[in-house]
Amino acid sequence: QSALTQPPSASGSPGQSVTISCTGTSSDVGTYDYVSWYQQHPGKAPKLIIYEVNKRPSGVPGRFSGSKSGNTASLTVSGLQADDEADYYCTSYAGDNIPVVFGGGTKLTVL
Amino acid sequence: QVQLQESGPRMVKPSETLSLTCTVSGGSFNNYFWSWIRQPPGKGLEWIGYVYNSGFTNYSPSLKSRLTISVDASKHQFSLKLTSVTAADTAVYYCARLVLMSGNALDMWGQGTMVTVSS
Repeated sequence: QSALTQPPSASGSPGQSVTISCTGTSSDVGTYDYVSWYQQHPGKAPKLIIYEVNKRPSGVPGRFSGSKSGNTASLTVSGLQADDEADYYCTSYAGDNIPVVFGGGTKLTVL
Repeated sequence: QVQLQESGPRMVKPSETLSLTCTVSGGSFNNYFWSWIRQPPGKGLEWIGYVYNSGFTNYSPSLKSRLTISVDASKHQFSLKLTSVTAADTAVYYCARLVLMSGNALDMWGQGTMVTVSS
């Protein structure tokens, strides 16, 4: 099972919006609404920010939103803040033998 | 608040077995899939596998031949054993809680522990 494809980097200025893509196949993202997104600051553990494509855990700001079209899921961060600068990873369910497949990660820079 | 804490040797010699334990505190242990994920230095995250409190397991196909994940529900602990390690197994190892009913989201994570494979 190949990793999901994410752009290595993304950037935006404070207050702007940025969207990060996560491309899979019809065997994972395209079939299942089981896409999650994680934020990881340097030296820290990942933190769940989106699950089931577009649901936010309690405590995650509404500035983070998720969507999906076909084989590609997207994470949008609106109203960029300095603390949003981090690595972002997507995951998808890919069947019973591969319940979690990660994307390669995207480094978000707030200019 | 649920907390997860990894423990185990920080250095392992090549060809030997990497062993880690995750202790879960502050919440229910049952009805979750307890997972291991790793991250080589400067690289992305890789799912290793999970164990259910009943002992049911699911492993990454790429690691399956070297991997054992076990659980001691009475102690709220689960463990990872990876045999015949090489330098490629050097990574930060995280334990995490996988919630099936939330689309397999990993909603709680340990802080991670760096394991180095070196002679």
